[in-house]
Amino acid sequence: DTGVSQDPRHKITKRGQNVTFRCDPISEHNRLYWYRQTLGQGPEFLTYFQNEAQLEKSRLLSDRFSAERPKGSFSTLEIQRTEQGDSAMYLCATGGGRSYEQYFGPGTRLTVT
Amino acid sequence: GESVGLHLPTLSVQEGDNSIINCAYSNSASDYFIWYKQESGKGPQFIIDIRSNMDKRQGQRVTVLLNKTVKHLSLQIAATQPGDSAVYFCAETKRPGFQKLVFGTGTRLLVSP
Repeated sequence: DTGVSQDPRHKITKRGQNVTFRCDPISEHNRLYWYRQTLGQGPEFLTYFQNEAQLEKSRLLSDRFSAERPKGSFSTLEIQRTEQGDSAMYLCATGGGRSYEQYFGPGTRLTVT
Repeated sequence: GESVGLHLPTLSVQEGDNSIINCAYSNSASDYFIWYKQESGKGPQFIIDIRSNMDKRQGQRVTVLLNKTVKHLSLQIAATQPGDSAVYFCAETKRPGFQKLVFGTGTRLLVSP
């Protein structure tokens, strides 16, 4: 257990529905990343926050995706009008201080039916 | 574009053998390389990292080798144990801690007793 928690761990939704995932970082970590991982592939970067500022977004993050980190602590990732292609594991990673390491949470597995 | 790839999708070894997992990267501007271990249903777990100004780094039972001439990274695991069975990813970044990680597709290590 790295200390990064994600909720829910599993989500099954119907196509067209909206879903929201939450990530709680290690308390002193000011950097927070979202990645998406499909079966058999490595994680792909989605977006990065430093404190509450969203500093980088991937082209993978279409306008149906939005991420927030309102107080620089927990973060949410929302997907609107889900599509079957959104089925994946959504991973949150955090980092802070002088360490380069990104600590990953257990992920939220999304299945869109 | 940026890519980090792996030569072998699956590596099967006997307990006690040494394992070598290889990775090719394409971005010569990357400054920092990391190996992650991912067990089923869990997020990636940091194993060892190396900066581009080094060619070798050792940890506990693990060694990472970096050959910048041929853009090749390898992870050596000594005396492989059944608990080492997992998917291993290499990842790269230009600015450690502050930028996205670019992951490869992974190598599955199977350790039989």
